Amino acid sequence: RKEVEQDPGPFNVPEGATVAFNCTYSNSASQSFFWYRQDCRKEPKLLMSVYSSGNEDGRFTAQLNRASQYISLLIRDSKLSDSATYLCVVNRGGGYQLIWGAGTKLIIKP
Amino acid sequence: DGGITQSPKYLFRKEGQNVTLSCEQNLNHDAMYWYRQDPGQGLRLIYYSQIVNDFQKGDIAEGYSVSREKKESFPLTVTSAQKNPTAFYLCASSMVNTEAFFGQGTRLTVV
Repeated sequence: RKEVEQDPGPFNVPEGATVAFNCTYSNSASQSFFWYRQDCRKEPKLLMSVYSSGNEDGRFTAQLNRASQYISLLIRDSKLSDSATYLCVVNRGGGYQLIWGAGTKLIIKP
Repeated sequence: DGGITQSPKYLFRKEGQNVTLSCEQNLNHDAMYWYRQDPGQGLRLIYYSQIVNDFQKGDIAEGYSVSREKKESFPLTVTSAQKNPTAFYLCASSMVNTEAFFGQGTRLTVV
């Protein structure tokens, strides 16, 4: 079993819909959690950090469930420009080690 | 502007040749990382360094070498021992327990 797991998709979603991704992690000592976005042939860019209390940035909401060891990303009112691969990242027990999920591909259709 | 600079953007390697990819950061980050990404795949860690003059192997270190002589620099050498080096190489940096920032990547192709 991988330390960080994501559904690879692709998720094909009509424009304006709400879409949710989950990411599970196996190391209970993990302390920091992030969602990144990667466009085709580009570097990953930080979308948002994930806090224990949950956090929201415009149309994006991130949640952390420590008991079940997963984080989630919700995108509301999806736009064509949201089409990308979304990567879940977990910091292993503090320190510098970052464990990357393989990514979930999202395709928004007009 | 603070950030991470990778060069070159595109690199072509002949069979049996060593090539070096450059990565420089001016974010004053302690840690630096090298990842490899193949088409349609996730990131795989090659090497990382938490402090000057120290580095650790990642999941796929064979055929690669690194150095960390300065805090801001972490070059990656792809040696002739790496039999399938064609890939997208990404350099990143971070502070402890924080997010990583990436350079724009280097696309390496064997010709």
